[in-house]
Amino acid sequence: DVKVTQSSRYLVKRTGEKVFLECVQDMDHENMFWYRQDPGLGLRLIYFSYDVKMKEKGDIPEGYSVSREKKERFSLILESASTNQTSMYLCASSVVGQPNTEAFFGQGTRLTVV
Amino acid sequence: AQTVTQSQPEMSVQEAETVTLSCTYDTSESDYYLFWYKQPPSRQMILVIRQEAYKQQNATENRFSVNFQKAAKSFSLKISDSQLGDAAMYFCAYLSVPNSGYALNFGKGTSLLVTP
Repeated sequence: DVKVTQSSRYLVKRTGEKVFLECVQDMDHENMFWYRQDPGLGLRLIYFSYDVKMKEKGDIPEGYSVSREKKERFSLILESASTNQTSMYLCASSVVGQPNTEAFFGQGTRLTVV
Repeated sequence: AQTVTQSQPEMSVQEAETVTLSCTYDTSESDYYLFWYKQPPSRQMILVIRQEAYKQQNATENRFSVNFQKAAKSFSLKISDSQLGDAAMYFCAYLSVPNSGYALNFGKGTSLLVTP
């Protein structure tokens, strides 16, 4: 079974803290994604990556950065957390070259910034 | 980003009945892919069904089927013989590799309630 694992299900951080959300996949997928999910807004793409050390901005990259030093790991970084970044964060992975393949998702990290 | 619209924030269906969730999208591409994902309370996103735009035949997976109308840019999901376990958020998603690589573009979701 494909597994996409997010390091925390729940996280509480203080305003101004630097926050790392970690995601690891075990299927050797080239593509990895970070989405933000908010009620009534669906899933919005923050950043994605096709390969190691490669990253592309999604629709809402402001306030976020990412790191992909190894193929299996894709980290989302909140440089200085703010209350409007309180949300559910979902990581996903998929295979390059097969656009009809499904994306596999982690179970999400619910981040609260206080 | 391409626009994916799910016009029904909430839907309700009785067990064993049929329900249809609607989805429309906006694109100028001819080659793209469409998906329905389910997110139960566990938060785990699960692929329900997928459709390649170049295929005229509507996709079917057991009790789940789609009505894909390419000219109308419509992609509705029909759930037959609804079960309590079908209760979840359902997201319609679009993918066009030339436009967005392999990143899915999601609608806002429809919350499906299944009543006994």
